[in-house]
Amino acid sequence: EPEVTQTPSHQVTQMGQEVILRCVPISNHLYFYWYRQILGQKVEFLVSFYNNEISEKSEIFDDQFSVERPDGSNFTLKIRSTKLEDSAMYFCASTRPGWDNEQFFGPGTRLTVL
Amino acid sequence: AQTVTQSQPEMSVQEAETVTLSCTYDTSENNYYLFWYKQPPSRQMILVIRQEAYKQQNATENRFSVNFQKAAKSFSLKISDSQLGDTAMYFCAFMILTANRDDKIIFGKGTRLHILP
Repeated sequence: EPEVTQTPSHQVTQMGQEVILRCVPISNHLYFYWYRQILGQKVEFLVSFYNNEISEKSEIFDDQFSVERPDGSNFTLKIRSTKLEDSAMYFCASTRPGWDNEQFFGPGTRLTVL
Repeated sequence: AQTVTQSQPEMSVQEAETVTLSCTYDTSENNYYLFWYKQPPSRQMILVIRQEAYKQQNATENRFSVNFQKAAKSFSLKISDSQLGDTAMYFCAFMILTANRDDKIIFGKGTRLHILP
């Protein structure tokens, strides 16, 4: 069964460094999402992406964040200058065309900022 | 504001018992989906069950069923014959359906469920 994959599973970085989190959505999906879950808290929407542009972004998604679909298969989330409070689990999700709107989630990347 | 409230931060039940997780939500929209997601210790997000708001019939998936009360904006999850593998964090969530179809999911804070042997 097709699934969303994410790499790395765990990323440790120093505050102020740039990180890129990678996701490979399911191949026939057209809508892509990033969510964040700070440890012990709820999952929060960051950004949605369709047709090579951002559809919607939350207040969390400030100028330090960017997304890209560089090669038609990968979907990346970049954090330019990480802060301690960026430490969280980051989930990628994708949706296929159709009417059921089910978002398939990847296994997540745990980001630890030191 | 669109919000999801899960009033039970943590619950414990004995294996084989039935447990109900509560959820209420707030939206002024009429066209939306409701979800329950399971997050085991691996932290993978797994869709347990989904309910379309326009459907009056409550959704069921094997041992999982919901009690959807649209007027009350209530969406509880019932797990029958609970199993040790049901131990996880459970998130209630909803998604407003819009014309552009790139709809975000709004999550509650979760209920941590422990199934005791």
